[in-house]
Amino acid sequence: ILNVEQSPQSLHVQEGDSTNFTCSFPSSNFYALHWYRWETAKSPEALFVMTLNGDEKKKGRISATLNTKEGYSYLYIKGSQPEDSATYLCAFKKTSSNTGKLIFGQGTTLQVKP
Amino acid sequence: EAQVTQNPRYLITVTGKKLTVTCSQNMNHEYMSWYRQDPGLGLRQIYYSMNVEVTDKGDVPEGYKVSRKEKRNFPLILESPSPNQTSLYFCASSPRGRGESGYTFGSGTRLTVV
Repeated sequence: ILNVEQSPQSLHVQEGDSTNFTCSFPSSNFYALHWYRWETAKSPEALFVMTLNGDEKKKGRISATLNTKEGYSYLYIKGSQPEDSATYLCAFKKTSSNTGKLIFGQGTTLQVKP
Repeated sequence: EAQVTQNPRYLITVTGKKLTVTCSQNMNHEYMSWYRQDPGLGLRQIYYSMNVEVTDKGDVPEGYKVSRKEKRNFPLILESPSPNQTSLYFCASSPRGRGESGYTFGSGTRLTVV
């Protein structure tokens, strides 16, 4: 069984704080790493898809980095806003997977207080 | 609008009464998948399909069936639901063969089996 671990499990920050969370995944047979944002009562939405070691992606105040050799990815949020409150999921895909299968972590739930 | 449509959003049923959760996508995606979300666990894959008439088991397939007779539809069938199938279900789709893309998720179906 492949394990994808996310930390911390939950996080409470003040508006304006910058924050980051971690996704750990198997370093062997890596194909892709996905990040999703899941707001309460909605469905998960794709933030980033990364495939290359050293990849960095950015969307507004949110960015992500990827280290496939050591098996981790960081998600950064600069100047958190209340609308950033959500659960952030990462998901790993391995090389043999022409099945398209993603293995999800349990998520990091972020609460941003005004 | 590109989307994955799931129905129903909420369903309460009794043990043993067959039910179907529908999933339809309008993006001509080859890959479709069903996941369930339970407290304390990540999204776990139930079944997936790589194209029409091609389906396979995910990590937790027991008690479920699927079919893929048309590219756009991927229904999830519970022949004899049991209380341990009470969960939040998501359908997702993605294209294949055009680089790595994020999944598009449906709005979710919250199922309660009593």
